[in-house]
Amino acid sequence: QSVLTQPPSVSGAPGQRVIISCTGSSSNIGAGYGVHWYRQLPGTAPKLLIYDNGVRPSGIPDRLSGSKSGASASLAITGLQAEDEADYYCQSYDSSLGGSVFGGGTKVTVL
Amino acid sequence: QLQLQESGTGLVKPSQTLSLTCAVSGDSISSPGYSWNWIRQPPGKGLEWVGNIFHSGSASYNPSLKSRVTMSVDKSKNQFSLKLTSVAAADTAVYFCARANSFLSVYAFDLWGQGTMVTVSS
Repeated sequence: QSVLTQPPSVSGAPGQRVIISCTGSSSNIGAGYGVHWYRQLPGTAPKLLIYDNGVRPSGIPDRLSGSKSGASASLAITGLQAEDEADYYCQSYDSSLGGSVFGGGTKVTVL
Repeated sequence: QLQLQESGTGLVKPSQTLSLTCAVSGDSISSPGYSWNWIRQPPGKGLEWVGNIFHSGSASYNPSLKSRVTMSVDKSKNQFSLKLTSVAAADTAVYFCARANSFLSVYAFDLWGQGTMVTVSS
């Protein structure tokens, strides 16, 4: 049972837009802590895609965008491409636990 | 180029101690603004934060593992380490070391090692 809740899977056709949700609580996202998003390909380490709710590190395309409202956040991928097929994780800080927490992960499938 | 590289024992017997090291190359582990983290991922499952440590030696651990975890920093070797005692099958996972960069965001992990698989089995 992860502290942050994500849907297990989402799918879309090439070129479409998919949205991955991440729901937390008043001790993490709802407390104002930033939400960060990672992409993980099979057998590799996660890669940072979005930090502090909606900021893209250098090299991350603007097809990916993040937003936050209250105790929830979301990652949107527009213009879905085959290379977007991967597992995606949200992450934040939890003041009750005193450390970082992750969502359970969402598998994105490109139909 | 800044890199993190995990190393350690890949097979640990139940009740024994898991020991891993993360070597930092391309920058000093003592550079301000960074915390050094361990994150693990059981086979087929999600990510779990294990703990972090600063170059000062100050550390924080996941409450669910706190009684069994110790992290340390070796500045002379530019590396940090993880020890997890009394391991059980549930500790079988890929263990990643990662950097949190406060110049980017205090708790976002912007650099990861490739990960090392640790199996707990007799």
